[in-house]
Amino acid sequence: AQKVTQAQTEISVVEKEDVTLDCVYETRDTTYYLFWYKQPPSGELVFLIRRNSFDEQNEISGRYSWNFQKSTSSFNFTITASQVVDSAVYFCALSEGGAGSYQLTFGKGTKLSVIP
Amino acid sequence: DAGVIQSPRHEVTEMGQEVTLRCKPISGHDYLFWYRQTMMRGLELLIYFNNNVPIDDSGMPEDRFSAKMPNASFSTLKIQPSEPRDSAVYFCASSLGPAQHFGDGTRLSIL
Repeated sequence: AQKVTQAQTEISVVEKEDVTLDCVYETRDTTYYLFWYKQPPSGELVFLIRRNSFDEQNEISGRYSWNFQKSTSSFNFTITASQVVDSAVYFCALSEGGAGSYQLTFGKGTKLSVIP
Repeated sequence: DAGVIQSPRHEVTEMGQEVTLRCKPISGHDYLFWYRQTMMRGLELLIYFNNNVPIDDSGMPEDRFSAKMPNASFSTLKIQPSEPRDSAVYFCASSLGPAQHFGDGTRLSIL
């Protein structure tokens, strides 16, 4: 069975600090997808990134970067120079795509508070 | 382009009443998912459809819950009769491939 663990329940940082959100996953499939979603205080779920299991290249998008390491089953998310608008709950998710169903298993989420 | 549209945004009703939540997926998406989010259990998948056909409803908590997708542009999640423990945020998501796009959710309160 697939599982996603986000060990950090809550994190507080001061604005402009860098912060890394950890995500560890478990799956028996060789084909799978990893995701990060953001849930701001307004409640919607915003898709941030998808990474498939065959692509371990790290990705950078502005102040956001993702580090995917199959050897440690981790898909960590770093925000550089954090801003107050980054305050949200961040969810890591896994989809075992081999069967084509694309069902998502979510972690419990990490609540990030960026203090001005 | 319009995203996933859910209605209503908020629903407050009394225990025992029927509740119907609605979802319009993104045009062209062939998968539709219903999730429930609570503090205790986090985000849970209730049911999902592929090309309007229910594929897996193992997450539906009880027979009081039912979902339909009569066509590619509309789905409903119904709770009858509703109970206070059904209070949660219900999300609909759609996808064409692995990445799911979520609606803004329906915040349901059962009194």
